[in-house]
Amino acid sequence: SQTIHQWPATLVQPVGSPLSLECTVEGTSNPNLYWYRQAAGRGLQLLFYSVGIGQISSEVPQNLSASRPQDRQFILSSKKLLLSDSGFYLCAWGQGWDTEAFFGQGTRLTVV
Amino acid sequence: AQSVSQHNHHVILSEAASLELGCNYSYGGTVNLFWYVQYPGQHLQLLLKYFSGDPLVKGIKGFEAEFIKSKFSFNLRKPSVQWSDTAEYFCAVNGGRSNFGNEKLTFGTGTRLTIIP
Repeated sequence: SQTIHQWPATLVQPVGSPLSLECTVEGTSNPNLYWYRQAAGRGLQLLFYSVGIGQISSEVPQNLSASRPQDRQFILSSKKLLLSDSGFYLCAWGQGWDTEAFFGQGTRLTVV
Repeated sequence: AQSVSQHNHHVILSEAASLELGCNYSYGGTVNLFWYVQYPGQHLQLLLKYFSGDPLVKGIKGFEAEFIKSKFSFNLRKPSVQWSDTAEYFCAVNGGRSNFGNEKLTFGTGTRLTIIP
């Protein structure tokens, strides 16, 4: 069966520090991968999605970037965190456009 | 660009009341539609989905949704809610164009549902 792993679960980082959140999927190949940010009252904001290695589509221009170095690995990064980057980040995967997405447990990021 | 609107931000109902949560989407092409639920402290999980065929789809826990193409709507319904339905509900649409196809999955802002025992 397929599983998705996202870590860390919580993270407290100072302003100006770098960020690296990792997400991996097991039990499938060539998944679509997504990074979302969830904020109260704003729902799930799509940040990046990827349909293959090295193929990243950015939805919201901001202080973050994403990379997909391997088929089932999706990384969310920042060179210098801002206070406004605080939030709950969710990774998800889907198999093609005609199936639902499956979500990880999320990372609570607090920038101080 | 595709978008999803959920106009009910917070709904409070008593147990056994009927539920209808609104969802409207904006996209000119073929869409797939989803409702997700997030129970307190848990991760997002799929409630139901529509890809094609019968516009009335049934999901888990007695939920159903009706796709009305002319209204660009996909409202979620349940005839009699329970206290355990307290959760946040998200509507989502898959569609849109990118360099890669139409894999973009867009969510609404969510509706918080509180059921009073």
